[in-house]
Amino acid sequence: SQQGEEDPQALSIQEGENATMNCSYKTSINNLQWYRQNSGRGLVHLILIRSNEREKHSGRLRVTLDTSKKSSSLLITASRAADTASYFCATSGTASKLTFGTGTRLQVTL
Amino acid sequence: EAEVAQSPRYKITEKSQAVAFWCDPISGHATLYWYRQILGQGPELLVQFQDESVVDDSQLPKDRFSAERLKGVDSTLKIQPAELGDSAMYLCASSSSTGPVPSYEQYFGPGTRLTVT
Repeated sequence: SQQGEEDPQALSIQEGENATMNCSYKTSINNLQWYRQNSGRGLVHLILIRSNEREKHSGRLRVTLDTSKKSSSLLITASRAADTASYFCATSGTASKLTFGTGTRLQVTL
Repeated sequence: EAEVAQSPRYKITEKSQAVAFWCDPISGHATLYWYRQILGQGPELLVQFQDESVVDDSQLPKDRFSAERLKGVDSTLKIQPAELGDSAMYLCASSSSTGPVPSYEQYFGPGTRLTVT
């Protein structure tokens, strides 16, 4: 079963614009992670934010976490065509098991 | 850079046949995961190993699916008999759970795309 719902399901922007994706989840978490998946390939870990953190940065990525609302957002700044992919949030409870959301398909056009 | 290896990359099989997938995790990673990803959805965990032991197989359809990791290194996932609804991407991932600060980051292989006809 999917833990998270992601919004929007699909997003199309032009190169240079910022992309924001949102993730909502249902149960208490230890951490929340974001992964990227290029078409037909495996997933690549982008960033992890722990339940006691509110914001985290990595390069052009900014992640926020609001545990009171059970939601997270991923911001990609100055997007590039190479950022075209599906993005998934994944939550982890007390064990290392990850439960993935439904994903956001991002299309960045030139 | 170390990677998770999976084979085959693509598999086409007929309904009721047996099929097997292989995964070799990153060296030293004690935790290994098998996921199933249906087109347009996120991955769903089928089974999780810690070394050679199964720690979570609650979502594994045990009447037709089996998984093993005999020596705590590489792993095999088998489906017998395959059904049309098994068509999906099967992903293997590994993570390092040893040490004073366990890493929750999972490293994924390229996946096996299964088509059941």
